[in-house]
Amino acid sequence: ETGVTQTPRHLVMGMTNKKSLKCEQHLGHNAMYWYKQSAKKPLELMFVYSLEERVENNSVPSRFSPECPNSSHLFLHLHTLQPEDSALYLCASSQGWQGDYGYTFGSGTRLTVV
Amino acid sequence: GNSVTQMEGPVTLSEEAFLTINCTYTATGYPSLFWYVQYPGEGLQLLLKATKADDKGSNKGFEATYRKETTSFHLEKGSVQVSDSAVYFCALSDRSGNTPLVFGKGTRLSVIA
Repeated sequence: ETGVTQTPRHLVMGMTNKKSLKCEQHLGHNAMYWYKQSAKKPLELMFVYSLEERVENNSVPSRFSPECPNSSHLFLHLHTLQPEDSALYLCASSQGWQGDYGYTFGSGTRLTVV
Repeated sequence: GNSVTQMEGPVTLSEEAFLTINCTYTATGYPSLFWYVQYPGEGLQLLLKATKADDKGSNKGFEATYRKETTSFHLEKGSVQVSDSAVYFCALSDRSGNTPLVFGKGTRLSVIA
C-alpha cells in the first residue's frame, strides 16, 4: 500500500468519450502532481497543485483538465483524446512541492485510447 | 537549469553480478538527490536519498553516495537478483527555488538467472 491510490488501474476509451482519472492520498501531503509516462519517453510532468492551487501547467493540451477539490484528492478529466495520449498516467504527492522529501507515487492508470 | 543525466540502458546482468548505474547532475545551490525504482506495471517507489554532500543513501542492498566534487550520485549494488529487474530513475530537488523534482530518463535493468 503506497498511500497514494489511483483509480481505475486500467481504462480503455474511445476518442469521443469523456472519462476521469482519480487520485487520493492519505499522507497529509499538501502538493499533488500528474505525470504522463509513454513508452520510450521520459516522464512528463503535466500539472502541479500546491495547497489546492495549480502552480504549474506544462503546455498540456486542453483535452486534459485537472481538478483538485481538496488536498487529498486530484482528478484528471479527459475528453476527445487522441491515440497518442495512450500512456501510463501517474499521480504523486509530497509535502512541499519542491520535493525535499521526495514524492510518493500511485500505481498509475494505464490508459488506452482507441 | 537543473538537469539529471543517467546512463543509457538497457543494462543486462547475470544474477549476483555487481551493479552500477551512473547519474550526474547539474543544479544551482545544494540539491537533495534521489533514486526511484519502477517495477513492471507499477508506479515509482523511492529507493534511497541523500540530502547533503558525502551522505550515503542505502536501502535493500542498494547504495549511492552524494559526490559534490564530481556532481554524481551513482547507484550500486554488490549482488543483484532477478527481482531487481526494473527501471531506475535518478532525481534531484533544487531546494533553492520553486521547482518540482527533476527526473532522469530512467535506466532499465534486466537480471537473468
